[in-house]
Amino acid sequence: AQSVSQHNHHVILSEAASLELGCNYSYGGTVNLFWYVQYPGQHLQLLLKYFSGDPLVKGIKGFEAEFIKSKFSFNLRKPSVQWSDTAEYFCAVNGAAGNKLTFGGGTRVLVKP
Amino acid sequence: DARVTQTPRHKVTEMGQEVTMRCQPILGHNTVFWYRQTMMQGLELLAYFRNRAPLDDSGMPKDRFSAEMPDATLATLKIQPSEPRDSAVYFCASGFPGIYNEQFFGPGTRLTVL
Repeated sequence: AQSVSQHNHHVILSEAASLELGCNYSYGGTVNLFWYVQYPGQHLQLLLKYFSGDPLVKGIKGFEAEFIKSKFSFNLRKPSVQWSDTAEYFCAVNGAAGNKLTFGGGTRVLVKP
Repeated sequence: DARVTQTPRHKVTEMGQEVTMRCQPILGHNTVFWYRQTMMQGLELLAYFRNRAPLDDSGMPKDRFSAEMPDATLATLKIQPSEPRDSAVYFCASGFPGIYNEQFFGPGTRLTVL
């Protein structure tokens, strides 16, 4: 069975600081990987996704993620955060055989102005 | 701008009452997912459908929850009878199996059971 682990539950940082959120998954086959963001009071929106090819994926709003197959990781990064990046971030994975997503527990990020 | 819609956006009800939540998937999407989000449990998949047929409802309490797709443009999630522990935000998402298997989420229904 698929599983996703996000090790950081809460992250607090100041504007302009760099952000890295960890995501590890367990799945034996080919995977699709996703990062979703949920702004306060809103629904989940896709930040970026990885299917194949270049393991460094660029997403919206300056976010990027790197797929490291040997580590089963798909960490999310942003070089310089803004107050508006305050949100909860979810990593998700699905096996290529279907499109049922397995989500991690989420990481709440608070960016102090 | 195609998007998933959900109604109602907020629902407050009393314990024991029936609750029905509705979702309109994005036109052309053939897979619909129901999730529940709580502070304690996070985001949980309750059930999902493909081409209106239930594929997996193992995450759903069978005794009180039911999910259906009467047609391709409507998915429903019903709780009968509702209990305070059902208070949560219920999200619907839709997608189409393909290369990316991306899911598009609706705005959610915030349910409060008193």
